[in-house]
Amino acid sequence: NAGVTQTPKFQVLKTGQSMTLQCAQDMNHNSMYWYRQDPGMGLRLIYYSASEGTTDKGEVPNGYNVSRLNKREFSLRLESAAPSQTSVYFCASSSDSPTGELFFGEGSRLTVL
Amino acid sequence: QKEVEQDPGPLSVPEGAIVSLNCTYSNSAFQYFMWYRQYSRKGPELLMYTYSSGNKEDGRFTAQVDKSSKYISLFIRDSQPSDSATYLCAMSMYSSASKIIFGSGTRLSIRP
Repeated sequence: NAGVTQTPKFQVLKTGQSMTLQCAQDMNHNSMYWYRQDPGMGLRLIYYSASEGTTDKGEVPNGYNVSRLNKREFSLRLESAAPSQTSVYFCASSSDSPTGELFFGEGSRLTVL
Repeated sequence: QKEVEQDPGPLSVPEGAIVSLNCTYSNSAFQYFMWYRQYSRKGPELLMYTYSSGNKEDGRFTAQVDKSSKYISLFIRDSQPSDSATYLCAMSMYSSASKIIFGSGTRLSIRP
């Protein structure tokens, strides 16, 4: 059972370059999320999508765009990468259960030079 | 001041010890409390979930919430080397996952 799959796992960009992080889940979850994790800062929500066709800003959305392509896939795009976007990015999904449990992918490590 | 504070560690204990991990928070409206475990170079996974105050036990793990003190704890009994990981506390005012606030995590190492 794959769960949440993220690609790529590693990426090095130069300042100003663009890239898209891909995420897919096979658990038939309605909600999907993109987080970034930085040392000492914990996980911070960038964007989320409560259902196919909807997206909403999280705590740190500036410099990012997202697309909920269908129920399975949720992509994160950096249009003009900056060194401050060097981070580990996690995609997650959740069901509509009362606990709101998040299921995470293994992460994408992005370095912007 | 962060809404959720967590000592980053690292915390190193011998195998078999009782481990206590803690978080404090400032928002008295938080009602849902969670602990996520994150192994190195992996995504976090839910370990414990508690609603409101009180204790919850699951095997060797006990989660404790003290809302009057705005303090939550995770206890690990008979700790094993496989428990070596980063433990993230998380909390929310609502059951919606989009409203969860995470602590920065405590890195735990269990020495054989």
